[in-house]
Amino acid sequence: SQTIHQWPATLVQPVGSPLSLECTVEGTSNPNLYWYRQAAGRGLQLLFYSVGIGQISSEVPQNLSASRPQDRQFILSSKKLLLSDSGFYLCAWNRGTGLNTEAFFGQGTRLTVV
Amino acid sequence: AQSVTQPDIHITVSEGASLELRCNYSYGATPYLFWYVQSPGQGLQLLLKYFSGDTLVQGIKGFEAEFKRSQSSFNLRKPSVHWSDAAEYFCAVGAPGTYKYIFGTGTRLKVLA
Repeated sequence: SQTIHQWPATLVQPVGSPLSLECTVEGTSNPNLYWYRQAAGRGLQLLFYSVGIGQISSEVPQNLSASRPQDRQFILSSKKLLLSDSGFYLCAWNRGTGLNTEAFFGQGTRLTVV
Repeated sequence: AQSVTQPDIHITVSEGASLELRCNYSYGATPYLFWYVQSPGQGLQLLLKYFSGDTLVQGIKGFEAEFKRSQSSFNLRKPSVHWSDAAEYFCAVGAPGTYKYIFGTGTRLKVLA
């Protein structure tokens, strides 16, 4: 069966520090991968998605970036965190055949920038 | 651009009462439609999905949703709510031809004992 792992679960970082959140999927190949951010009262905001290794689409211009160094690994990064980067970050995947399939979500990372 | 509207930010119901959570979408064609549930501090779990066919779909935990093309709606229903249903519920659309899921802002459900 397929599983998705996201870590760390919680993170407290000072303003201006770098960020690296990692997501890996097991039990499938060539998934589409997604990073969402959830802020209170604002639902889920799509940040990045990837349909293959090295292929990253950015939805929201900001100081975050994403990379996909391996088929089932998706990394969210920042060189310098802002207070506004605080939120709940969710990684997700689907089977790569398009959107006629559901997304499966990780357990999320709670990021607090102080 | 595609969008999803969940007009109710908070809903409170008594245990055993019926529930309907509203979802409206904006898209030029019929999108793929989803309802997810999120417990505090957790990821999202799929309740049900609609791609085509019968417009009334059944999901897990006793939930169902009805797709109404004329109203661009996909409302979630449950005939009798349990205290464990207290959570946040998200409606989402997947736009055919893209790789993007667009989510609504969510409805937080509170269940009174």
